[in-house]
Amino acid sequence: AQSVAQPEDQVNVAEGNPLTVKCTYSVSGNPYLFWYVQYPNRGLQFLLKYITGDNLVKGSYGFEAEFNKSQTSFHLKKPSALVSDSALYFCAVRVRILTGGGNKLTFGTGTQLKVEL
Amino acid sequence: SQTIHQWPATLVQPVGSPLSLECTVEGTSNPNLYWYRQAAGRGLQLLFYSVGIGQISSEVPQNLSASRPQDRQFILSSKKLLLSDSGFYLCAWSGRTGPGGYTFGSGTRLTVV
Repeated sequence: AQSVAQPEDQVNVAEGNPLTVKCTYSVSGNPYLFWYVQYPNRGLQFLLKYITGDNLVKGSYGFEAEFNKSQTSFHLKKPSALVSDSALYFCAVRVRILTGGGNKLTFGTGTQLKVEL
Repeated sequence: SQTIHQWPATLVQPVGSPLSLECTVEGTSNPNLYWYRQAAGRGLQLLFYSVGIGQISSEVPQNLSASRPQDRQFILSSKKLLLSDSGFYLCAWSGRTGPGGYTFGSGTRLTVV
């Protein structure tokens, strides 16, 4: 089955320091990978996606993610964290729906990012 | 531009009462539609998805049902709510083709008391 794993429940980082939120995937074939962010009591917001091409993907709010095929990873990164980046982050993989077309996203369990002054 | 509307934002319902949550999408045609539930503020569980009018697929057995009476309308229902139905419900849509990312609604916080 196609899946993603987020090994860290929480990541703490000081403001101004670089941050990394980890994600590994288990996919047959070429993966379509996504990162979403969720603020309290809000829906998920799209950050970035990897479909094909450059292994370094740039997204919203200064975030980027590095696709590493040999390590089956898709870690989310930001060079300098802000307190306002504190939120819940989800990694996801697209799974094709075989009957009727379309697709669905399977999400990781989420990583709570806390950026402190 | 495409937008997704989900309501109500919060709902408190007694056990055994019915439920109807509505989601509508604007600015696109033939979307794939999804209902997710998020319990305890963390994991997202796909409940239902729909690739067309009247076409509903259920991911997990449960006390809930879904319907798609119109192309851009997706409804989550229950005849009798259970305490375990409490959670944060999210509607989302994606295109039939393309890279397959989702756009999410703002969510409904359901508390069953």
